[in-house]
Amino acid sequence: AQTVTQSQPEMSVQEAETVTLSCTYDTSESDYYLFWYKQPPSRQMILVIRQEAYKQQNATENRFSVNFQKAAKSFSLKISDSQLGDAAMYFCAYRSPRGGTASKLTFGTGTRLQVTL
Amino acid sequence: SAVISQKPSRDICQRGTSLTIQCQVDSQVTMMFWYRQQPGQSLTLIATANQGSEATYESGFVIDKFPISRPNLTFSTLTVSNMSPEDSSIYLCSVGQGVQETQYFGPGTRLLVL
Repeated sequence: AQTVTQSQPEMSVQEAETVTLSCTYDTSESDYYLFWYKQPPSRQMILVIRQEAYKQQNATENRFSVNFQKAAKSFSLKISDSQLGDAAMYFCAYRSPRGGTASKLTFGTGTRLQVTL
Repeated sequence: SAVISQKPSRDICQRGTSLTIQCQVDSQVTMMFWYRQQPGQSLTLIATANQGSEATYESGFVIDKFPISRPNLTFSTLTVSNMSPEDSSIYLCSVGQGVQETQYFGPGTRLLVL
């Protein structure tokens, strides 16, 4: 079974600075998908960024980018120019490429990000 | 991405009662997923609901406790039966859509059982 580990329960960053959230995973599959979701206090889960394992190029979405190291099974999220609205719980998630019920998400335990002035 | 709504958004229930949570999507989707998020915890999949067939439950979750309906391609319900305080959680539905069936989530239902 796949597992996802987030070793940083809490992180803090100053506004306009850059922060990196760590995620590692364990899988025997060669192809898969990785995601970062954001959950603000409103509790709505919001997709931040997605990475396909077969792609060597790291995904980017505006101020959000990932450092995907397939051999190391590492998938960190970098937030540049942090804003107050980035404060939230961030979850790393893994998904198998197999369809049907196997397409469920396996989540890490989350990292709470605080953004300070 | 799909627009997903859930009802109710929150509820306070008495021990021993049941609550049915609705999930409505604005487009047809094949797979719908129900997750539980206990206080301060991550999300755990309860079951996967495919239209026209029985839901598939994850280890530790049973149909008698969490019956699920999936009458059509845009709607699903999750019932939390015979509730106890341990069932106090946020319940979220999600659907797979678009590129590689990326999952998008509803706003969640916050349940408190007294």
